[in-house]
Amino acid sequence: AQSVTQLDSHVSVSEGTPVLLRCNYSSSYSPSLFWYVQHPNKGLQLLLKYTSAATLVKGINGFEAEFKKSETSFHLTKPSAHMSDAAEYFCVVSFAVSGNQFYFGTGTSLTVIP
Amino acid sequence: GAGVSQSPSNKVTEKGKDVELRCDPISGHTALYWYRQSLGQGLEFLIYFQGNSAPDKSGLPSDRFSAERTGGSVSTLTIQRTQQEDSAVYLCASSPDRGRIETQYFGPGTRLLVL
Repeated sequence: AQSVTQLDSHVSVSEGTPVLLRCNYSSSYSPSLFWYVQHPNKGLQLLLKYTSAATLVKGINGFEAEFKKSETSFHLTKPSAHMSDAAEYFCVVSFAVSGNQFYFGTGTSLTVIP
Repeated sequence: GAGVSQSPSNKVTEKGKDVELRCDPISGHTALYWYRQSLGQGLEFLIYFQGNSAPDKSGLPSDRFSAERTGGSVSTLTIQRTQQEDSAVYLCASSPDRGRIETQYFGPGTRLLVL
């Protein structure tokens, strides 16, 4: 069975410190992996995506994620948090064999402390 | 340019009533998706339209849920005999590309509260 797990429901960091949001997936198939961000009262916005090219993916707003097949992980990182990064982050997985089915994590709420 | 719009933005209804949620996709987008975001449940795929047909209805949670799309544009998600567990944010997304999540553009959602 395919699934995606976001290990932390809430993450709190101080402004200027690194951000780490964890995501693991389980599947027998090669995945496509995505991170989305949702700011309050806004729609989902794509941060970055991995689709079997380079394992280190750079996205918008200074975020990046590394696909590690051996660990079945796709953790999201940012070297220095800004106040504007406070939002809900979703890890999403899709598999070619599943057609149009996408699997969303339960989300991680990021709080940035001034 | 105009993005995906949804109406109403908020809906409060009584248990047992029917509700209709509307989605206006970006003009020219052939694919349209409905998702549900429940507290503590993350995002849940409901249904996918390509044009006016729905090749993937696998996510609809019960037969109380139905959706249609007319003219390859506006879509309506209908929930009959609403239950309290239907309370959630219902998100619509559209895409010019079939089945590619990274090209999906999401609307702001409709917040449904069933009392």
